[in-house]
Amino acid sequence: QKEVEQDPGPLSVPEGAIVSLNCTYSNSAFQYFMWYRQYSRKGPELLMYTYSSGNKEDGRFTAQVDKSSKYISLFIRDSQPSDSATYLCAMSLIKAAGNKLTFGGGTRVLVKP
Amino acid sequence: DTEVTQTPKHLVMGMTNKKSLKCEQHMGHRAMYWYKQKAKKPPELMFVYSYEKLSINESVPSRFSPECPNSSLLNLHLHALQPEDSALYLCASSQVGTRFDEQYFGPGTRLTVT
Repeated sequence: QKEVEQDPGPLSVPEGAIVSLNCTYSNSAFQYFMWYRQYSRKGPELLMYTYSSGNKEDGRFTAQVDKSSKYISLFIRDSQPSDSATYLCAMSLIKAAGNKLTFGGGTRVLVKP
Repeated sequence: DTEVTQTPKHLVMGMTNKKSLKCEQHMGHRAMYWYKQKAKKPPELMFVYSYEKLSINESVPSRFSPECPNSSLLNLHLHALQPEDSALYLCASSQVGTRFDEQYFGPGTRLTVT
C-alpha cells in the first residue's frame, strides 16, 4: 500500500465547473498537506498548503483536510482551460531542517472550453 | 525573486559520459533538494542539503553525486548512467527552521541516457 493514494484520472470537466480532487493517506504522523500544480514538462508549483484539519480558501481554490479520516481535498471553482494540468497532493512531517515531501501519484485534469 | 533556475534544460548523454546538472537560487534558502520524476509519476526525492551539508540521501546509486558548493548553488554530477535513469530532474529550495518550509521547484532538466 502506498503512503499517499491519488486517483490518476484523467478528470475531464467543462469550463466553469467545479473540479474536485482528493487524496488518502496512511501515515497519521503527517502534519502539513500541500497541493501542487504541474503543467506538462514544467516543475511543480505550490498552490496551497494547510496545517492540521480544517478548510483553507484562496481565491478559486479551497483545500480541506480531515485528519480523522486521513483524507484531503482540493476544490477549484469556476474552472478555466488554463487549470488543465496535473495536480499533486503532498504531505510532510514536522521537521527542523529540510523537509521530505511524500507525493501522491497526481491527477490529470482537463478543463474543456 | 522566487525563482529556481536549472541548467541545462535538456541533456542527452551516453552511458560512458560524465555530465553535471546545475541549480541556482537567490532567495536566501538554506535547504536544497534534488528530485527525479519519471513520466506520469510523482517526483521522488533523491537528496536534501541543509546549510550546505547533505542531510538526506534516499539510497541513490553512487553514479549520482550531489554537491552544494555554496548556499545558492546545487550540482548533480552524473557518471556511467543507465538508460533507465532518463527522467526529469527537478531541483527545489526552501527555508529551514520555520514551521512550514515551502519548497520552490525549478523547471527541471530533461535527461536522456542513450
